[in-house]
Amino acid sequence: QVQLQESGPGLVKPSQALSLTCTVSGGSISSGDYYWSWIRQPPGKGLEWIGYIYYSGNTYYNPSLKSRVTISVDTSKNQFSLKLSSVTAADTAVYYCARLNYYDSSGNFDYWGQGSLVTVSS
Amino acid sequence: SYVLTQPPSVSVAPGQTARITCGGNNIGSKNVHWYQQKPGQAPVLVVYDDSDRPSGIPERFSGSNSGNTATLTISRVEAGDEADYYCQVWDSTSDHPGVFGGGTKLTVL
Repeated sequence: QVQLQESGPGLVKPSQALSLTCTVSGGSISSGDYYWSWIRQPPGKGLEWIGYIYYSGNTYYNPSLKSRVTISVDTSKNQFSLKLSSVTAADTAVYYCARLNYYDSSGNFDYWGQGSLVTVSS
Repeated sequence: SYVLTQPPSVSVAPGQTARITCGGNNIGSKNVHWYQQKPGQAPVLVVYDDSDRPSGIPERFSGSNSGNTATLTISRVEAGDEADYYCQVWDSTSDHPGVFGGGTKLTVL
């Protein structure tokens, strides 16, 4: 059974960078069978896809966040990470890591982490 | 980018059938996936590829997709089905491929 677990600071100051790491267990990122994504959810609101990474390091980002987002992977640790720069209060959200099951030009998120609440405040 | 439209809320009595819609331009040509999210929990995939169920999801959950509307149907609704439900597509032709609907709050009366 694949499990994902987010970790990182729960409080970030405005204009600074948000950094989270997702540790994957029960499966290897290096298998190349899946893509690995970040998704966020502001309090009381819906889900927003942030981007994905493949084990090779190939990435794709939501255009609305592209200028501030970096997703990286460390296959030796079976982890992938999110960095969001120049944060504001609007970036306050629960951040989820998820496995993207991509096939035949379609894709769904079949395994999710429990989520990590990040608050942007001074 | 592609837009998915869901009703904000749906209410149903226990034992009845709930239908949650997801509208999108020619959505019938895409694979639609559905997630259930209970308060304080991560979303759970309940239907994928329009109508398939992951292992462990009750048969009461089913889906359909045609034209401009996809539908998640929950039969014999139980109190434990009360949750937010999100539809999702992967629009590989767009520069914003990962798209979610706004979510529907299912209330069991």
